Amino acid sequence: DAKTTQPPSMDCAEGRAANLPCNHSTISGNEYVYWYRQIHSQGPQYIIHGLKNNETNEMASLIITEDRKSSTLILPHATLRDTAVYYCIVRETIQGAQKLVFGQGTRLTINP
Amino acid sequence: DTGVSQDPRHKITKRGQNVTFRCDPISEHNRLYWYRQTLGQGPEFLTYFQNEAQLEKSRLLSDRFSAERPKGSFSTLEIQRTEQGDSAMYLCASSRGPDFNQPQHFGDGTRLSIL
Repeated sequence: DAKTTQPPSMDCAEGRAANLPCNHSTISGNEYVYWYRQIHSQGPQYIIHGLKNNETNEMASLIITEDRKSSTLILPHATLRDTAVYYCIVRETIQGAQKLVFGQGTRLTINP
Repeated sequence: DTGVSQDPRHKITKRGQNVTFRCDPISEHNRLYWYRQTLGQGPEFLTYFQNEAQLEKSRLLSDRFSAERPKGSFSTLEIQRTEQGDSAMYLCASSRGPDFNQPQHFGDGTRLSIL
């Protein structure tokens, strides 16, 4: 079973920041938080990951709370092409724990 | 990097036939994964290779399924005696070692339809 809880759907206006929440209250000390998105008929696309510090790359920012029980993915200036299902996944980073366990994700719709 | 490549993109076959899919990972990625995704669901893990060694298999991988990665480069996934329930998107992903926190990068999958 997935160890994360996400809202099933969200809407955001084009050009605004999209903030996608994720709860992972049972996360353990060696588990990273990964974010992927999937556009219809394509494979999941890696976005960003982190352990405890906030992370930023060219696609997004990841804000992890100090207790690590929740995180937020921020798309700073959403475009129509950001419409997708977004998956938040926690995963141990040890041998024997390689699989990603996907939940239902959040269906993000960017509106013009 | 060129991305993960999967072939074919689509496969339609009759129930009972055997099918084989191929995955070419990102070059120099020593870890390779297979997932299956049915309509409306997130991907589900099937199996994992580190180099040529198959290190983990899901219980979803019945005895009709076999995966190989003979030289630690490309991988094949074969389904024998296909059934209606095998209709799904089969996704391949790869990641770089040795750090286990490196992200998996996915291909665009092979969509299998069983008639």
